[in-house]
Amino acid sequence: AQSVTQPDIHITVSEGASLELRCNYSYGATPYLFWYVQSPGQGLQLLLKYFSGDTLVQGIKGFEAEFKRSQSSFNLRKPSVHWSDAAEYFCAVGAVQGGKLIFGQGTELSVKP
Amino acid sequence: EAEVAQSPRYKITEKSQAVAFWCDPISGHATLYWYRQILGQGPELLVQFQDESVVDDSQLPKDRFSAERLKGVDSTLKIQPAELGDSAMYLCASSPRPTSGKGTDTQYFGPGTRLTVL
Repeated sequence: AQSVTQPDIHITVSEGASLELRCNYSYGATPYLFWYVQSPGQGLQLLLKYFSGDTLVQGIKGFEAEFKRSQSSFNLRKPSVHWSDAAEYFCAVGAVQGGKLIFGQGTELSVKP
Repeated sequence: EAEVAQSPRYKITEKSQAVAFWCDPISGHATLYWYRQILGQGPELLVQFQDESVVDDSQLPKDRFSAERLKGVDSTLKIQPAELGDSAMYLCASSPRPTSGKGTDTQYFGPGTRLTVL
């Protein structure tokens, strides 16, 4: 069965510091992987996605993620965090031919001034 | 930029009452999804439509929840009767028609409806 684990429930970083949010997945075939961000009381905004090809994926707002098949991971990174990045981040895995996304529990990011 | 529209944004109701949520997907998107997000958790699929047909409703509590997408465009999700445990964010998403070999198409989410059941 498909599953997604985000080991860190809450992370606090200082503004300007680098960020890495962890995501591990379980899926029996080639995974299709996504990172979404959710501000309080809002819907989800797509940051980036991986379907195939280059394992380092660039997204919006300066985010990137690296797919590592051997580690079943798809970690999200940003070299320098801004206060506006404070939000909840969700990793998700999808099926090949469309269908539902399986989400992790989310990681809440706080940014210290 | 086209967006998924949802209404109402907030709904407060009493236990045993009926509630309904509306979603208008991005124009031309054939696939529509309803997710439920309980506070502190990730969204979970309730029902998926391909055009007007239900593709997956395996997690929809059918004794009290119903969903329809009559003309294959907008959709309504109904709960009757509402229970305390239904308090959550209800998110609608849409994606283009799946293309063979292209993998999961990106799902675009609306702002959600926050339901509080008292």
